[in-house]
Amino acid sequence: ETGVTQTPRHLVMGMTNKKSLKCEQHLGHNAMYWYKQSAKKPLELMFVYSLEERVENNSVPSRFSPECPNSSHLFLHLHTLQPEDSALYLCASSPQRGSGANVLTFGAGSRLTVL
Amino acid sequence: GQNIDQPTEMTATEGAIVQINCTYQTSGFNGLFWYQQHAGEAPTFLSYNVLDGLEEKGRFSSFLSRSKGYSYLLLKELQMKDSASYLCAVTDSNYQLIWGAGTKLIIKP
Repeated sequence: ETGVTQTPRHLVMGMTNKKSLKCEQHLGHNAMYWYKQSAKKPLELMFVYSLEERVENNSVPSRFSPECPNSSHLFLHLHTLQPEDSALYLCASSPQRGSGANVLTFGAGSRLTVL
Repeated sequence: GQNIDQPTEMTATEGAIVQINCTYQTSGFNGLFWYQQHAGEAPTFLSYNVLDGLEEKGRFSSFLSRSKGYSYLLLKELQMKDSASYLCAVTDSNYQLIWGAGTKLIIKP
């Protein structure tokens, strides 16, 4: 256990479904992140929240919608996804943003398959 | 553009030593990270280098040369549990993390 918990660990959905990924951190961190991890590709930063405010949105399609109701919880709402969105979605947290030694603590990820 | 290069896959023998290289071209530099990721698990922090030289932590060491845009992760006395992917990442001048695609390390008995 890293202190960052993601649910569900596996999700299969059709292109017309709506689902949500959940992330919870018990580390007292102020920043939370969503990353997409595809095979043999670098991690892609999707969204960053700092003190519950979205501070980065890296040109992510609107079919992905993040929500951060408090500093411990982060959601990624999914709707009308495409098969190419199949990937491992990683949540991470860190004490703060904007420093060199900003160590991220990751969850184990949610493996998403879009049919 | 910004880029991190590391080998896609490496194979080594249990008990041996392996060096995983990482080269980077980024807009500025505020530190380099190594993370370990076992299959199906979370990436976990291994090391952080911001000054040139070698940092040693038990069986793992990480080296940085800023002038060459180069780092390596050295793993000694390899164990089967070291089979994992190793991710290199650099913090640029805007404190954005730039990631490599990872190196899958396979340990054979």
